[in-house]
Amino acid sequence: AQTVTQSQPEMSVQEAETVTLSCTYDTSESDYYLFWYKQPPSRQMILVIRQEAYKQQNATENRFSVNFQKAAKSFSLKISDSQLGDAAMYFCAYRSAAKGGSEKLVFGKGTKLTVNP
Amino acid sequence: DTAVSQTPKYLVTQMGNDKSIKCEQNLGHDTMYWYKQDSKKFLKIMFSYNNKELIINETVPNRFSPKSPDKAHLNLHINSLELGDSAVYFCASSIDGGSDEQYFGPGTRLTVT
Repeated sequence: AQTVTQSQPEMSVQEAETVTLSCTYDTSESDYYLFWYKQPPSRQMILVIRQEAYKQQNATENRFSVNFQKAAKSFSLKISDSQLGDAAMYFCAYRSAAKGGSEKLVFGKGTKLTVNP
Repeated sequence: DTAVSQTPKYLVTQMGNDKSIKCEQNLGHDTMYWYKQDSKKFLKIMFSYNNKELIINETVPNRFSPKSPDKAHLNLHINSLELGDSAVYFCASSIDGGSDEQYFGPGTRLTVT
C-alpha cells in the first residue's frame, strides 16, 4: 500500500519570504500522480498544484512550485513571496495511475503553515 | 454556482442515532468519493462510486452505508452513531481517473455526544 509522509507538522514563514514543505512517499508503482492541497481555516480543500510522475519537468503555478525527485520519492512544495492568505494546512497526496479501484487520494498528515506579518 | 455541495454543514447528534449526509455535484463528473478527516486532521478515503457503482470500499464499519441514486449524488448514511464517528466528512468528485483534480465539498462536521 502506498504511504505519504509529511515530516513537518508545523512550519512558519515571514511574509514575502520563501518556504519549502517536505513530502515523501512510498510506492512500488511507476506511474502515479502527486498533489498538494491547501486547507485554510474555512475547511475547504483547494488544489494548489499537481505533478504527473511521467513528467520530468517540475510543475509550477504562479508562486507555487514543486521539486519532484522520482528516484528519491520526494515531492516538496515551495511557496515564494509568502502571503498572509497562504496560512493553512497543506496536504501532500498520492494517486495511483492504475485503472480499476485506485482513484483514491492517499494523504499525508499535513503541515500547518503560519505566515507572520 | 457551488460545484460540490454537502448538507448539512454541521450535525450534532447523540450516540445511537442514525443520520445521513447528502452530497451533490453539478460538474458532470463520473466519480464521487467520501473522505473522513479525524480530529488530528488526517484524511482517509472511505468510499468511491463511479457512475453509481461502488468501486472503493475501505475498511469502514458496516454501520456506514453509501448510496448513489444517480451519478450526481452520493449520500452517506450512518447507523448507531458512536463517539468515534465524530469527524469532518468530505464529499469529492472527479471526471474519471488520471491527474484530474478531485473537487471537494465544504465538509460536514459531525459531532456525536
